[in-house]
Amino acid sequence: AQSVTQLDSHVSVSEGTPVLLRCNYSSSYSPSLFWYVQHPNKGLQLLLKYTSAATLVKGINGFEAEFKKSETSFHLTKPSAHMSDAAEYFCVVSDLINSGTYKYIFGTGTRLKVLA
Amino acid sequence: GAGVSQSPSNKVTEKGKDVELRCDPISGHTALYWYRQSLGQGLEFLIYFQGNSAPDKSGLPSDRFSAERTGGSVSTLTIQRTQQEDSAVYLCASSVGTGGNQPQHFGDGTRLSIL
Repeated sequence: AQSVTQLDSHVSVSEGTPVLLRCNYSSSYSPSLFWYVQHPNKGLQLLLKYTSAATLVKGINGFEAEFKKSETSFHLTKPSAHMSDAAEYFCVVSDLINSGTYKYIFGTGTRLKVLA
Repeated sequence: GAGVSQSPSNKVTEKGKDVELRCDPISGHTALYWYRQSLGQGLEFLIYFQGNSAPDKSGLPSDRFSAERTGGSVSTLTIQRTQQEDSAVYLCASSVGTGGNQPQHFGDGTRLSIL
């Protein structure tokens, strides 16, 4: 079975500085990986996904993530944080349940705080 | 186009009452998922529907929880004889299919409070 670990439960950055949210996964095959963002009282919004194409994936709102097989990592980055980026972020791996059927395995989330 | 719609957005009820939560998936999405998000917990998978196949109920925490999906579209999650530990946000998601690279699209959830 697959698993995903978000290494930081909380991250604080100053507005205008880079953001790094770390995610490591374990997988017995080439995984599909996703990052979602959840703002207060909202559902999860897809930021980006990796599905075995380009290893550097660009998403919405200036976020990107790099799939590194050798490090089993899929860290989320943004060059310059904005106040509106303050939210909870979830790293997700897609787990094969049976022939053709997958389920999401969620990380425990990282709460990003952006300081003015 | 319209996203996943959930209703009600908030529900407050007394312990022991039954509640029904509704999810309207994105049109054309054959897969539908229910999750529970409790304070301090992660996202907990509850149940999953794919087309006309039998649902995967492996995540339902007790026999007080049930769900149905009528006509392959709208789904209702029912919790009978609610308990205080059922207080949580219930999230619904849908996807085009169940392939590993198919992203799930989430509604804003129903915040359930049991008094």
